[in-house]
Amino acid sequence: KAGVTQTPRYLIKTRGQQVTLSCSPISGHRSVSWYQQTPGQGLQFLFEYFSETQRNKGNFPGRFSGRQFSNSRSEMNVSTLELGDSALYLCASSFGKQTQETQYFGPGTRLLVL
Amino acid sequence: AQTVTQSQPEMSVQEAETVTLSCTYDTSENNYYLFWYKQPPSRQMILVIRQEAYKQQNATENRFSVNFQKAAKSFSLKISDSQLGDTAMYFCAFMKHGGNAGNMLTFGGGTRLMVKP
Repeated sequence: KAGVTQTPRYLIKTRGQQVTLSCSPISGHRSVSWYQQTPGQGLQFLFEYFSETQRNKGNFPGRFSGRQFSNSRSEMNVSTLELGDSALYLCASSFGKQTQETQYFGPGTRLLVL
Repeated sequence: AQTVTQSQPEMSVQEAETVTLSCTYDTSENNYYLFWYKQPPSRQMILVIRQEAYKQQNATENRFSVNFQKAAKSFSLKISDSQLGDTAMYFCAFMKHGGNAGNMLTFGGGTRLMVKP
């Protein structure tokens, strides 16, 4: 069974631009969560989507948004990029039929904002 | 809110020896899960082991085992017979259980483990 995939793997943007990252979960998984990893702040939860609905949200500004499609694929969008948005963005999937399940992570998208 | 603390930023161990990574957490929840994830230089986050808080028996997975002390809110990871491939960042993580908690992991700051030949 294929694992979680994320595209693109690497991205370079300039301040003020916007970016969209994509995550395809493991087949059969309906929950997708997003995390930001930076050297200074560590791993922080962004949001979780289940059945096309946002189920949880972390403490990030409104510039960070996401959505989930009927095939469970998810996208996250960051508008008006700031230098501090440079990070590794990880997505994780799980079945979601019952909550608190083990999450399996994708390889991440490394975003550099110049 | 939950917090997870890993007090050892870096550790090293000789190949074939045993090492223990520490993790403490703070929560008012009674039902929750604890995890150890490994992140090698490739940055791929890999599940190492999982523990349900309601289970008294410590989880084991081959060379990996945990010492779960619920009253002390401690969750350490023991790696036996360390191998070069165990070199990685190790993250301890917490997840609430029950209600509408959903799937949200709270991570510690990580411990960088170096296995030396």
